[in-house]
Amino acid sequence: QSALTQPASVSGSPGQSITISCTGTRDDIGTYNFVSWYQQYPGKAPTIIIYEVDKRPSGVSTRFSGSKSGNTASLTISGLQAEDEADYHCCSYGGGSALVFGGGTRLTVL
Amino acid sequence: QVQLQESGPGLVKPSQTLSLTCSVSGDSISSGNYYWSWVRQPAGKGLEWIGRTYISGSTNYNPSLRGRVSMSLNTSKSQFSLKLTSVTAADTAIYYCATITMLGGVPYYFDNWGQGTLVTVSS
Repeated sequence: QSALTQPASVSGSPGQSITISCTGTRDDIGTYNFVSWYQQYPGKAPTIIIYEVDKRPSGVSTRFSGSKSGNTASLTISGLQAEDEADYHCCSYGGGSALVFGGGTRLTVL
Repeated sequence: QVQLQESGPGLVKPSQTLSLTCSVSGDSISSGNYYWSWVRQPAGKGLEWIGRTYISGSTNYNPSLRGRVSMSLNTSKSQFSLKLTSVTAADTAIYYCATITMLGGVPYYFDNWGQGTLVTVSS
């Protein structure tokens, strides 16, 4: 099962919105709505920010939103803040009880 | 909230077996509430799901590692473990233990993570 495809890096200025894409196949993102997103600061473990494509766990800022179209899921961060600078990872269920991650995206807040 | 803590050797020689343990607190490992999972991350790279195990004894592994990986639960010690055989330098990574919440038996998302432990494969 191949890793999901994410851009290596994205950047934006404070207050702007950015979108990170996560492209899979019809065997994972294209079939299942079990797409999740994780935020990871350097030297820290990941934490969940989006699950089931567009649901936010309690305590996660409403500035984070998720969506899906076809084989591609997306994470949008609106009103960028300096504290959003981190790595972001997508993950999808791939059938057969398998899970697959993307390669991760480094977000830089300019 | 489940707390997880990885432990094990930080250095493993090539061709040997990597063994890690994850200690669980905050929930019973027998509760059936979670899949118990391992994820790794090579330096500067993305996350890779290694596999998961459940109190029923069922296990699922990343096909790319199948044949080298095994996982088990120790309910008396509230721990679960990872063994990866025939390691090479490519297995050098930070290894995280994590819980997976399930929905209808399907792995839903990773919700609790350990702090991670660096394992280096080198002679």
